[in-house]
Amino acid sequence: EAGVAQSPRYKIIEKRQSVAFWCNPISGHATLYWYQQILGQGPKLLIQFQNNGVVDDSQLPKDRFSAERLKGVDSTLKIQPAKLEDSAVYLCASSQKAGGLLSRIVDNEQFFGPGTRLTVL
Amino acid sequence: KNQVEQSPQSLIILEGKNCTLQCNYTVSPFSNLRWYKQDTGRGPVSLTIMTFSENTKSNGRYTATLDADTKQSSLHITASQLSDSASYICVVSASDYKLSFGAGTTVTVRA
Repeated sequence: EAGVAQSPRYKIIEKRQSVAFWCNPISGHATLYWYQQILGQGPKLLIQFQNNGVVDDSQLPKDRFSAERLKGVDSTLKIQPAKLEDSAVYLCASSQKAGGLLSRIVDNEQFFGPGTRLTVL
Repeated sequence: KNQVEQSPQSLIILEGKNCTLQCNYTVSPFSNLRWYKQDTGRGPVSLTIMTFSENTKSNGRYTATLDADTKQSSLHITASQLSDSASYICVVSASDYKLSFGAGTTVTVRA
């Protein structure tokens, strides 16, 4: 089966500019995640969608970051305006489900895309 | 606060040698622990998953262990190959399915 698709793979912008990333999850996966991975660190969850609804956006810097998954399939993550500290790899992941009493662990396995490497100059 | 600590931060080994990576966690209540391999420029890929009742899981030359009492896990790589050069991330899931990621151990295998 096709994996999680992300584009672009690389992006270089100047601070205060805007940028958008796109993610297409594995077909049929209800849950979609956006992570920020700064060099030398593990991924940090920015936002989690269940279908087209937001489940968790507690670590999303909402003054500059926004994300949407309007039709419950693909998603976009936007940064406006970008800061130097936003330089990172932005990973998108998807899973069949996300929790719930009847969920099996295998249903919650997250499959990651290749990521978008953002450099803010 | 749920935390995952990995050691060492990085290591270099010669091709054919073995190595062991460590992961200590404070995630509670615990659901499962995964080891991911992340090649440079790629997303993480799951290697193993262990629940509370499992204390060892193998995937080819990768063997993970889990001690739920001491909240420690290890990943052992046997007979390393050049393709094992990557970052290895320990990820612990709480019972609410929220994930806590370690910072990863960067392994470099040299010929």
